Amino acid sequence: EDQVTQSPEALRLQEGESSSLNCSYTVSGLRGLFWYRQDPGKGPEFLFTLYSAGEEKEKERLKATLTKKESFLHITAPKPEDSATYLCAVQGGSGGSNYKLTFGKGTLLTVNP
Amino acid sequence: GAVVSQHPSRVICKSGTSVKIECRSLDFQATTMFWYRQFPKQSLMLMATSNEGSKATYEQGVEKDKFLINHASLTLSTLTVTSAHPEDSSFYICSALTSGGFYEQYFGPGTRLTVT
Repeated sequence: EDQVTQSPEALRLQEGESSSLNCSYTVSGLRGLFWYRQDPGKGPEFLFTLYSAGEEKEKERLKATLTKKESFLHITAPKPEDSATYLCAVQGGSGGSNYKLTFGKGTLLTVNP
Repeated sequence: GAVVSQHPSRVICKSGTSVKIECRSLDFQATTMFWYRQFPKQSLMLMATSNEGSKATYEQGVEKDKFLINHASLTLSTLTVTSAHPEDSSFYICSALTSGGFYEQYFGPGTRLTVT
């Protein structure tokens, strides 16, 4: 059974204070690891897909990295508008998975001005 | 690209009535769509996988007769909550799966259902 653990559960930063969110996973044949951002009362917004260990992707102040056991979402010089819940999910390759995602519980990021 | 819409965004209905939620992929075709439910301060819970032209696959514990799913075209899936009760009140979110080598899920904005 695929499992995803995100840490910390909540993170409070000052504007400009860089940090990282962690996503540890166990999966049978990783097809992809996904990062989403979710604002209150809205659906998740797609950020990144990582497919293989060593891969990195960047978007504005966010950078996602992947190893064989975990992924990090690095936030550089965050702004208050980066406040949201960040969700990590894996897509396993086991038979019959039908491209389902297994989600972690998320990290609630608050950036204070 | 990869935009998914949901309608309605909010709905209030009386106990015992049925409610239909639409999920559309606006700029791509989606053979597969997913329906999720999310409780306050919790992560997404997958309810079912919807495949165009075939029956939906429900997750364990989800009542298929209460949550009817129809995926009649490559851009539209519907979720009907039948005989709704207050415990069905929740945030329902759909996603659509892209294809062509990158099987990524893009999510709709969600539908807030309140059953009174």
